[in-house]
Amino acid sequence: GAGVSQTPSNKVTEKGKYVELRCDPISGHTALYWYRQSLGQGPEFLIYFQGTGAADDSGLPNDRFFAVRPEGSVSTLKIQRTERGDSAVYLCASSLNEDSEAFFGQGTRLTVV
Amino acid sequence: KQEVTQIPAALSVPEGENLVLNCSFTDSAIYNLQWFRQDPGKGLTSLLLIQSSQREQTSGRLNASLDKSSGRSTLYIAASQPGDSATYLCAVIRPTDSWGKLQFGAGTQVVVTP
Repeated sequence: GAGVSQTPSNKVTEKGKYVELRCDPISGHTALYWYRQSLGQGPEFLIYFQGTGAADDSGLPNDRFFAVRPEGSVSTLKIQRTERGDSAVYLCASSLNEDSEAFFGQGTRLTVV
Repeated sequence: KQEVTQIPAALSVPEGENLVLNCSFTDSAIYNLQWFRQDPGKGLTSLLLIQSSQREQTSGRLNASLDKSSGRSTLYIAASQPGDSATYLCAVIRPTDSWGKLQFGAGTQVVVTP
């Protein structure tokens, strides 16, 4: 596609539920990044993939958060047992490789009620 | 631990005035510095990327400077327009990290009044 695509654009879920957020990177981009942005804050790094493998997951806040990229293209961020504090905008970015500029998607706004 | 700070948090200027946005970082050992624009409810749009060997970048009405030794970057927007109203974020990249692993400031929210 022309840009990074994230679905859904908005997600409302109940506390304790499981959610999946999808990111479709720019075609041919090998690196993919997930960020979380809370209200009034800058985005915070969560995890990045080079190809199919997670090259750096140092930003994942706890073991309720998990991400996969099984075929080296689309990635899914999975959140188990959601908490109200997980409410944020989740941003995805991709880049051609690790040493090139990353391009961001429009984000998924997650609201946990 | 690297900290990125943007002051002020919010700024309102009349149309036509020049904008000066500041970004400071505590660890001068950065590789790249990047400025982004974010419109409400939207993702991030890259404005300028200053690579390690550069001291400034320019694009149209935008100019960004970088002084690693003092831990500062400044984004200048000349002759502001109402369409420039947005939140502006700066982000740094460590030398050992991938270019997409960015550490962001909290942003400066800019309103340009007609």
